[in-house]
Amino acid sequence: EIVLTQSPGTLSLSPGERATLSCRASQSVSSSYLAWYQQKPGQAPRLLIYGASSRATGIPDRFSGSGSGTDFTLTISRLEPEDFAVYYCQQYGSSFGGGTKVEIK
Amino acid sequence: EVQLVESGGGLVQPGGSLRLSCAASGFTFSSYWMSWVRQAPGKGLEWVANIKQDGSEKYYVDSVKGRFTISRDNAKNSLYLQMNSLRAEDTAVYYCARVEEILKGGAFDYWGQGTLVTVSS
Repeated sequence: EIVLTQSPGTLSLSPGERATLSCRASQSVSSSYLAWYQQKPGQAPRLLIYGASSRATGIPDRFSGSGSGTDFTLTISRLEPEDFAVYYCQQYGSSFGGGTKVEIK
Repeated sequence: EVQLVESGGGLVQPGGSLRLSCAASGFTFSSYWMSWVRQAPGKGLEWVANIKQDGSEKYYVDSVKGRFTISRDNAKNSLYLQMNSLRAEDTAVYYCARVEEILKGGAFDYWGQGTLVTVSS
């Protein structure tokens, strides 16, 4: 079983700043099978990135994904007020990472 | 428009059973793997189970194996989760999700709004 570890647990930033979120896998994951989701309080998760770097439909280009093997990154280039949320990585239709909360500093 | 609507949640005693349903619309249900994901109060997401398009393959997280059964009825565009021998740690919001296997590498591209299951005496 592949375990995904996200860091940091919480990221405190101001609007306009850059956010860099990490997802590390316990063994190599095909880039094709790594996804990122955003979840706001009281809402279902929303797919942001699939295949490690492809944005889902309607996702702004300030969101980008990168990485390969065991290390993956979600970058939000300039935080907008609506981007403060919890972010999860996931590998191929199963296990999720523990999440990173991006909060307003 | 793709829609997934869960139902069947509620309060159940430890050791009890519950059957969740997910009604799908706006896409060809029989062409997609489907999944259940849960989220305990204040916690992260936990994948629970997946089922193949024709129901011939099913996969579960270890903590629910032997207690939960995922199934589907393609004629009714519906996904189900039969939950038996429920425990307090099964308390969570349960989401159904569509698995986009071909184009998005198994990402969950659409989610329902969730249904709350509370296991308590």
